[in-house]
Amino acid sequence: DQQVKQNSPSLSVQEGRISILNCDYTNSMFDYFLWYKKYPAEGPTFLISISSIKDKNEDGRFTVFLNKSAKHLSLHIVPSQPGDSAVYFCAAKGSGYALNFGKGTSLLVTP
Amino acid sequence: GAGVSQSPSNKVTEKGKDVELRCDPISGHTALYWYRQSLGQGLEFLIYFQGNSAPDKSGLPSDRFSAERTGGSVSTLTIQRTQQEDSAVYLCASSPGLAGHNEQFFGPGTRLTVL
Repeated sequence: DQQVKQNSPSLSVQEGRISILNCDYTNSMFDYFLWYKKYPAEGPTFLISISSIKDKNEDGRFTVFLNKSAKHLSLHIVPSQPGDSAVYFCAAKGSGYALNFGKGTSLLVTP
Repeated sequence: GAGVSQSPSNKVTEKGKDVELRCDPISGHTALYWYRQSLGQGLEFLIYFQGNSAPDKSGLPSDRFSAERTGGSVSTLTIQRTQQEDSAVYLCASSPGLAGHNEQFFGPGTRLTVL
């Protein structure tokens, strides 16, 4: 049962524009959310996180928004750069320690 | 380097053989996790080690899978009598294991192919 869903398998954005990656979750006990970025043949690397007590967290070009009532979060990248092209995974955790991952969204930023 | 390392990076084996996958966590990290990613899927939790506590094996898909962690550091994931559905990328992660939420740092993974 997929508790974290990324419904867009792929996204293509022009360099300089905003990339918006979406994630939905079903478990209301999740209280911490993370985004990971993965290049081919490498492990996922942590990008940004947000606690359920916040609705926004910003780090440079990356901002994560959390809408708890909708059980929805999104990652905004602005401006997008070709080096941002990768697979982005949304992950969530509750009181346990295991991360629950979505299937990922492949982002392509074109020059 | 100071990151999580895994070996081998690639492993091709025949159905029915046993395989061992190794993970070296970040020095000082007390928590260690194994995940696997099958083709087109997200990462699936397998097992968790925290310090000297008994591991949480709740994610292991069958009794053919086992893992150990020696001396609170290096971990080995063993798959016995491999099946074709075991083909996946096996990822190890570690974290400081402190109270509260901590990001997990991943290794590059071992790509296992069972013929």
